[in-house]
Amino acid sequence: RKEVEQDPGPFNVPEGATVAFNCTYSNSASQSFFWYRQDCRKEPKLLMSVYSSGNEDGRFTAQLNRASQYISLLIRDSKLSDSATYLCVVTLISNFGNEKLTFGTGTRLTIIP
Amino acid sequence: NAGVTQTPKFQVLKTGQSMTLQCAQDMNHNSMYWYRQDPGMGLRLIYYSASEGTTDKGEVPNGYNVSRLNKREFSLRLESAAPSQTSVYFCASGKGEARVYEQYFGPGTRLTVT
Repeated sequence: RKEVEQDPGPFNVPEGATVAFNCTYSNSASQSFFWYRQDCRKEPKLLMSVYSSGNEDGRFTAQLNRASQYISLLIRDSKLSDSATYLCVVTLISNFGNEKLTFGTGTRLTIIP
Repeated sequence: NAGVTQTPKFQVLKTGQSMTLQCAQDMNHNSMYWYRQDPGMGLRLIYYSASEGTTDKGEVPNGYNVSRLNKREFSLRLESAAPSQTSVYFCASGKGEARVYEQYFGPGTRLTVT
């Protein structure tokens, strides 16, 4: 089983709609959780952290469910500029004591005018 | 600030050739990383450098070597390229320590090995 799994999509969503996607992780000892965004043929960029209590940044809401081992990203009132691939990132403390990041393969989102 | 820069942007190599990918950052970050990204697979860590003077293997180090030349620069060398090394290579930097997750990526190098 992959350490971090995401539905690759694509999710094709009309402008203005709300869209949500999940990411599951296999290791219950995973420490921290994040969403990165990657535009087509560009580099990944940190979008937001995911806290146990959930967090919101404008139209974006991220949530963590430790019991079921998944995180989610909700985008409200979607804009054309939200079209991108969203990467789930999970961190774990390695056997050597350093923090290791594991990236998911990403969920591709296309907002349709 | 340029952030993280990488050269070259594109490269085509023949099997067995060698090359060095260059990376530099101007954010005074301690940590630097090299990843590869392949279709259907997440970003995979090749090597990283937690601070100037140190380097460590990541998940997929075979066939690569790195040099942390100074705090700004971290290069990745392919000694004898193989078709399996066809990929997009990203360099990243970060503050490290408590904020390992906050990494800033360069624009990438698209490498094809024929």
